[in-house]
Amino acid sequence: EAQVTQNPRYLITVTGKKLTVTCSQNMNHEYMSWYRQDPGLGLRQIYYSMNVEVTDKGDVPEGYKVSRKEKRNFPLILESPSPNQTSLYFCASSFRQLNYEQYFGPGTRLTVT
Amino acid sequence: AQKVTQAQTEISVVEKEDVTLDCVYETRDTTYYLFWYKQPPSGELVFLIRRNSFDEQNEISGRYSWNFQKSTSSFNFTITASQVVDSAVYFCALSELTNTGNQFYFGTGTSLTVIP
Repeated sequence: EAQVTQNPRYLITVTGKKLTVTCSQNMNHEYMSWYRQDPGLGLRQIYYSMNVEVTDKGDVPEGYKVSRKEKRNFPLILESPSPNQTSLYFCASSFRQLNYEQYFGPGTRLTVT
Repeated sequence: AQKVTQAQTEISVVEKEDVTLDCVYETRDTTYYLFWYKQPPSGELVFLIRRNSFDEQNEISGRYSWNFQKSTSSFNFTITASQVVDSAVYFCALSELTNTGNQFYFGTGTSLTVIP
């Protein structure tokens, strides 16, 4: 089954404790991206990657890191999480061309206390 | 400034009524893409439609239709004869091409409630 998977789905952590949210897709998509969804703010793009070793900042990259060492994986790293990073996070992937729709993962709900 | 504006935060309609969700975007690019996504109460994001900047033809898919007008930078979405299953949050999005890929901008969403 074609899908984007994220782990964990739910996470409660404390300020400053490094964490990684994994994202994996099995559709051989070149493009992958991370978003955060907050009430009243919609989805905002954090980082995106057009292919292996090619990443760039989206609208709200501060406090996040990403890496793209393999085509199928695009982990989101929070080196020192803070409460303002409490949010619902979505990973997405698509084929490279601009006109292809993104497939979204199920979301990861992160709470930082 | 918001690149994608969905001014309607919440809309309630009675079942079988028609409803239009507004989307206004802002871009300097000549090549760009517009999308609509649906987020039902279960939380997943479901793709509905994409439209490129060179194609202003309106599109109809069943009870859904989309009106793209470059002159007003709008990409509105109409649901005809709404049903309870249409209750969801709907997001409009803009994609612009950068040197390193596609950057996406989503609106803040319109929460639609269809009352039986």
